[in-house]
Amino acid sequence: KAGVTQTPRYLIKTRGQQVTLSCSPISGHRSVSWYQQTPGQGLQFLFEYFSETQRNKGNFPGRFSGRQFSNSRSEMNVSTLELGDSALYLCASSRRGASYNEQFFGPGTRLTVL
Amino acid sequence: KNEVEQSPQNLTAQEGEFITINCSYSVGISALHWLQQHPGGGIVSLFMLSSGKKKHGRLIATINIQEKHSSLHITASHPRDSAVYICAVRFLSQGNLIFGKGTKLSVKP
Repeated sequence: KAGVTQTPRYLIKTRGQQVTLSCSPISGHRSVSWYQQTPGQGLQFLFEYFSETQRNKGNFPGRFSGRQFSNSRSEMNVSTLELGDSALYLCASSRRGASYNEQFFGPGTRLTVL
Repeated sequence: KNEVEQSPQNLTAQEGEFITINCSYSVGISALHWLQQHPGGGIVSLFMLSSGKKKHGRLIATINIQEKHSSLHITASHPRDSAVYICAVRFLSQGNLIFGKGTKLSVKP
């Protein structure tokens, strides 16, 4: 069974631009969660989607948004990029939801904002 | 306030040593996860616990709900165990995971 895939793996953007990251969950998994990891703050929860609905949202500004498609693939978008958005963005999938099941993580997208 | 504390922050061990990493949390939880992150960023879920003890190979995870404390033990440590180990908790009052800062483990041959 293929694991969680994320594209792109690396991305360099400049301040003010926007970016879209993609996550394809394990086949049969309906929940996708997104996390941001920085050296200063560690891992922080962004949002969780289940069956195309946002189930939970972390404490991030509205510039961070996401969506999930009918095939469970998910995208997250960051608009008006700031230097502080430089981070490793990880997605994780689970069968029924992050509350109930083990999560399987993707390799991450490393975003650098210049 | 929902908080997760891990200790130690850094740990260096000799190959073969028994290792313990600790995780404490502030209020009631529904589940606790132990994760392993290797250099390069990939995260692997090691255990998900809500009570008692789980074992997988040389790894053992325990949780004491009354004490609000969990430990991850590695027996007969090996250099390939070198990684960052992260405790993550789902509090009863929240739907999402809250993460500890991680413990960076280095096992020397």
